[in-house]
Amino acid sequence: DQQVKQNSPSLSVQEGRISILNCDYTNSMFDYFLWYKKYPAEGPTFLISISSIKDKNEDGRFTVFLNKSAKHLSLHIVPSQPGDSAVYFCAAPRRDAGGTSYGKLTFGQGTILTVHP
Amino acid sequence: ETGVTQSPTHLIKTRGQQVTLRCSSQSGHNTVSWYQQALGQGPQFIFQYYREEENGRGNFPPRFSGLQFPNYSSELNVNALELDDSALYLCASSLWGATNEKLFFGSGTQLSVL
Repeated sequence: DQQVKQNSPSLSVQEGRISILNCDYTNSMFDYFLWYKKYPAEGPTFLISISSIKDKNEDGRFTVFLNKSAKHLSLHIVPSQPGDSAVYFCAAPRRDAGGTSYGKLTFGQGTILTVHP
Repeated sequence: ETGVTQSPTHLIKTRGQQVTLRCSSQSGHNTVSWYQQALGQGPQFIFQYYREEENGRGNFPPRFSGLQFPNYSSELNVNALELDDSALYLCASSLWGATNEKLFFGSGTQLSVL
């Protein structure tokens, strides 16, 4: 059961333009979302997160939007830079019966972003 | 501050063999989680260790097992290897109770099962 889905395997944008990466989820119990970035031969690194009590969180060039009614979130990168070329994963914590989740994330399949100079 | 380190970086095994992967957590972290990333997929949660005990497990069979040591480092053991076990195995460390859910990943061990 793929509870977090990234339906676009790849995205190509021009340097300086906006990159929009999308993520859908099916579990309405998810209350926190994270985006990770992964370069080849490296582990994923945390990028930005958002709590379900917010609909937007911004950190420099990166903004995440959350639409709870549509169970959809998106990551906007403005302006895009060639160094942003990587695989981007959205993720949500898996809650166990006690409500804890520390370290247990459900990831989407990832979107390969390529930013052309 | 020492990051998460994993060894070995690459490993080739044959079907039916056993393998042990190792992970040293980031300094100050006491929780280790293991993930399997198959080609073209996102990481999948295998299990987590806290206080040297398994604390949660994903949809993986018992031949996947682990250990955590008093220094918070960890091992992932896989018995009776199957071809589908070929994947990148990622270790992530965190601090138990951190509400930001942020994980720090190692670079992974690429396992190939022939």
